[in-house]
Formats: sequence, C-alpha cells, structure tokens
Amino acid sequence: DAGITQSPRYKITETGRQVTLMCHQTWSHSYMFWYRQDLGHGLRLIYYSAAADITDKGEVPDGYVVSRSKTENFPLTLESATRSQTSVYFCASSVDSEQFFGPGTRLTVL
Amino acid sequence: GENVEQHPSTLSVQEGDSAVIKCTYSDSASNYFPWYKQELGKRPQLIIDIRSNVGEKKDQRIAVTLNKTAKHFSLHITETQPEDSAVYFCAASITGANSKLTFGKGITLSVRP
Repeated sequence: DAGITQSPRYKITETGRQVTLMCHQTWSHSYMFWYRQDLGHGLRLIYYSAAADITDKGEVPDGYVVSRSKTENFPLTLESATRSQTSVYFCASSVDSEQFFGPGTRLTVL
Repeated sequence: GENVEQHPSTLSVQEGDSAVIKCTYSDSASNYFPWYKQELGKRPQLIIDIRSNVGEKKDQRIAVTLNKTAKHFSLHITETQPEDSAVYFCAASITGANSKLTFGKGITLSVRP
C-alpha cells in the first residue's frame, strides 16, 4: 500500500475555488482511477485512465477534470468547487483488475 | 452497464458466530469478483477475490462463493472477531477489459463482543 499516495490528506476550501488532488503510484500500473465516497452511495467512479494521455469518464464526472501526462501521476482537479463536492476522494491503481487504493483525501467545501 | 447490489445494508453478529454477506450482479460477462474491507477512516483493502472459473475460494476465516447461474456471490466470515467490524464492499468486473470495478454500496458489519 505504500506504493500509492495521495496529497493533501485533508483540504478545506471555499465555493468557487480551484482545487487539485494529487495521486502518485510507484508500481507503474497502467490503470488509475478516482472515486468519491459519500454516505449511502458507496464508491462512485469519477474518472479513470488506461495509460498516460488516455482518460475516460466514470459515473459522476461533472465538475471534475483529470490529466495523466506520466504513468505514475493522476491528478484530479475541481475547477470551481461546490459544496456538493464535499467528500472523501480515493485514488486507485490496478493490475489485472485488482485495484489498490490510496489513503484518501478528505475535502470540505465551505 | 453492470449493476451490483448488496443486501442487507447492515449486519450485526455475536462474536464467534458466522457472518454471510451477499451480492448480486447483472452482467453475465463479469468474471472477476473482489471483496474489500474498509475500517473507519481507512482506505478500502482487498481481502479476497474470486474469478468465474472457480466456485469457491478460502483464506483462513474468510471464504467467497460464486453462483454464476444465479449471478450472485457471497462472503463468508467464520468465528467473527471484533476486529472484523467494518464496511465490506463487493464488486464485479470483466477482466481484460478496462479494469473498471462496479461496487456495491457496502454493508456495515458489527461484531458484538
């Protein structure tokens, strides 16, 4: 698990501000994912990436932007944060469908 | 797309008893079924998985069974302990595709000492 990290671990921001959550993995896994976790909704996929420069939308992509210029990094950007984006965000990487999760980022939008 | 459902949403058992958590899936092409355990404030961690070419897999006190015909799979925990208290997520995917997992909403297991 030490192979996938997220930063920051906690973030408080205000409505309308841009926020970027970072995800870094050292395993060279091709696939990476961003989820949000809210009570009653489980883990919902925001975006995923099959390789550098290849990304695709998940179940709840609106309001989020991703990029993947390097295999090991997969940042998630909230271009204009809203209160409904208050959540815990998990990044994951995958090999042969087995996904490994980062420690999560708790984001609060005031 | 795939739809994974877990029932019930909460389960409480006495320490030492067994716990069974069931999930159903909708896409008959799904062939990989992992179970994740998430303790309070922690990340989800894979505890066991099963692929569609086997019907059962065991690892110490936990086991997973798969019924492809009925499209459901179950997590079995024997001799439950307080440290088994957590949220358990099931998921399904098609290996060799895009590695996307479809998760159930999770079940909160409480083990009473």
